[in-house]
Order: sequence, then C-alpha cells, then structure tokens
Amino acid sequence: GAGVSQSPSNKVTEKGKDVELRCDPISGHTALYWYRQSLGQGLEFLIYFQGNSAPDKSGLPSDRFSAERTGGSVSTLTIQRTQQEDSAVYLCASSLGGLAGGHYTDTQYFGPGTRLTVL
Amino acid sequence: AQTVTQSQPEMSVQEAETVTLSCTYDTSESDYYLFWYKQPPSRQMILVIRQEAYKQQNATENRFSVNFQKAAKSFSLKISDSQLGDAAMYFCAYDPGGGADGLTFGKGTHLIIQP
Repeated sequence: GAGVSQSPSNKVTEKGKDVELRCDPISGHTALYWYRQSLGQGLEFLIYFQGNSAPDKSGLPSDRFSAERTGGSVSTLTIQRTQQEDSAVYLCASSLGGLAGGHYTDTQYFGPGTRLTVL
Repeated sequence: AQTVTQSQPEMSVQEAETVTLSCTYDTSESDYYLFWYKQPPSRQMILVIRQEAYKQQNATENRFSVNFQKAAKSFSLKISDSQLGDAAMYFCAYDPGGGADGLTFGKGTHLIIQP
C-alpha cells in the first residue's frame, strides 16, 4: 500500500516551544530512520529503530532531541525548547530489513518530510 | 568515518541528451551498498538506483545506469534521454549494511533540464 507518511507537512513554532514530528512507516517495515536536512549541514542521520528499539542515540544533535517508536510502527521525534538552528526538514525513512543469500538486502524508502521553522 | 563527495553542485543538460553525475566515497569496508536518490522540489526523496558492492555488474533501471568502479571508489549515475521530469537534486548515498549506521549522503547535484 501506502508509502511512508509524515505529519505535519510544515510546522512553524516559536523559539523555546516543544514540537512533535510524526512518522508512519510502510506497513511491515521493521526498520525506521530519522534524518535532518538543512542548508548548512546537508543530510544528517539522526537515529535508527529496529522494532521499538534504538540501539544508538548518539546521532541526535543534543539532549533536547528524543525519539520513540511504539508498537513497531509509528515513531515520534520530539524537540524540546526549540532553537532557531533546529529549523530544517526532518525526513523519515523505513525499510524491510533482513538478509538474502548472506547479503544485506535493505533499501530505505523516504517520506515527504516535515519542514520545521523556528522563529 | 565514511564520506561521500559529489563534486558537481549543478549540472545542466538539454532534453533528450545524456548526462553523468559524479560521486566518490571513502570507506575501508569491502561489502557495502550505494544508492542514488532524487529529490524534486516536493521534498520527497525517491530511490533511483541501488548497487551492491559485491556485484561486479553495474546496476541499470530503464534510462538510469551507474558506472561502479570499486577500486577507485567511484559511483557515477548516467541518465540517458533526459526528460523534463528528471530535473531535481540528486544525492549519492553510502550504506555500510546492517541498518544501524544509516545512510551517508553527498551534498547533492542540482540537475537542470533545458527544453
């Protein structure tokens, strides 16, 4: 069916406010990824989930960023006390995961992104 | 850490002509995966083509093909019979496999199609 969906499409917030960005992966995809795309930094990998578990959170830019995934499906990226440097497009991707013939077969499929603007 | 370099910030091609976008990468791994993604103004990152490093044969998808030179760590994308709908940002991406490290992207090449 449907591809990866993200909401909201655009979010404008004031500095210091908290925001939640949502990602709904392709049905059956166990792996989920968050990326940030900004003019200055390009595309940066933030975090990876396999099922509900995120084994490495070191890619998150600061402790104001957190992410969770429940039920092996929807994921939420939360940014607390937003700063102007958080303004960017946040992209989510999902993948089936797994091996075939001893080789990794995964391909990531991306959602349309959320454009976050912090005033 | 792996790095991906796209040395052409912008390329322009006439409709129906052929264009090649360059990508080089740095890794110490022997088994990995390379991708080209297309991002039109709609922001949606669309998979164009995928190459497994263990395969010697270059991947092709209709008008899109790659020239994968493993020893040179080069992965260029050739677009044949360019169409107006091919206009977009094109990103080269490296994946070490296993999922946990995410993709490492180049800075992108803006492809302009001249009618």
